[in-house]
Amino acid sequence: EPEVTQTPSHQVTQMGQEVILRCVPISNHLYFYWYRQILGQKVEFLVSFYNNEISEKSEIFDDQFSVERPDGSNFTLKIRSTKLEDSAMYFCASRGGGGLGTDTQYFGPGTRLTVL
Amino acid sequence: AQSVTQLGSHVSVSEGALVLLRCNYSSSVPPYLFWYVQYPNQGLQLLLKYTSAATLVKGINGFEAEFKKSETSFHLTKPSAHMSDAAEYFCAVSGSNFGNEKLTFGTGTRLTIIP
Repeated sequence: EPEVTQTPSHQVTQMGQEVILRCVPISNHLYFYWYRQILGQKVEFLVSFYNNEISEKSEIFDDQFSVERPDGSNFTLKIRSTKLEDSAMYFCASRGGGGLGTDTQYFGPGTRLTVL
Repeated sequence: AQSVTQLGSHVSVSEGALVLLRCNYSSSVPPYLFWYVQYPNQGLQLLLKYTSAATLVKGINGFEAEFKKSETSFHLTKPSAHMSDAAEYFCAVSGSNFGNEKLTFGTGTRLTIIP
């Protein structure tokens, strides 16, 4: 069964450093998402991406964040200058193009980001 | 805008007993509702979804949920709990806007199964 994959599974970085989280969505999917889950809290939407541009972003997704689909298969989330409060589990998700809310978002296993 | 409220951050049931996890939603458009499960150190796995077809939805692992518009609820049930059901369960809602169907999650319910 096709699945969303994410690398690395765990990333440790120093405050102020740049990190890139990588995702490989399911191959025929058209919509891509990033969510995050701070330890002990609920899963929060960050950004959605379709047709090589951002469809929607949350207030969390400020200028320090960016997304890219560089080669038609990978989908990346970049944090330019990490802060302590960026420590969280980051989930990538993808969805097919079946129309109004009829398709499911499939989630990857997540990348745990720890900012020291 | 959409939101979800999950009543009970922790629920404990005995093995073999009924599981009931509560979810109430708020949505300005007809909602699409989902239950996801997260096992320890794993990602989110879809249990079941409501997408305006049958109001009683059956999912994986013996779980089901009933959409009740009058009560704005989408509670998750399983007749007989199994030890392997111990996990965190998230209810989520999305609107029917084309293209930007983000999920809005509840705060989650941690289910513990007592042997």
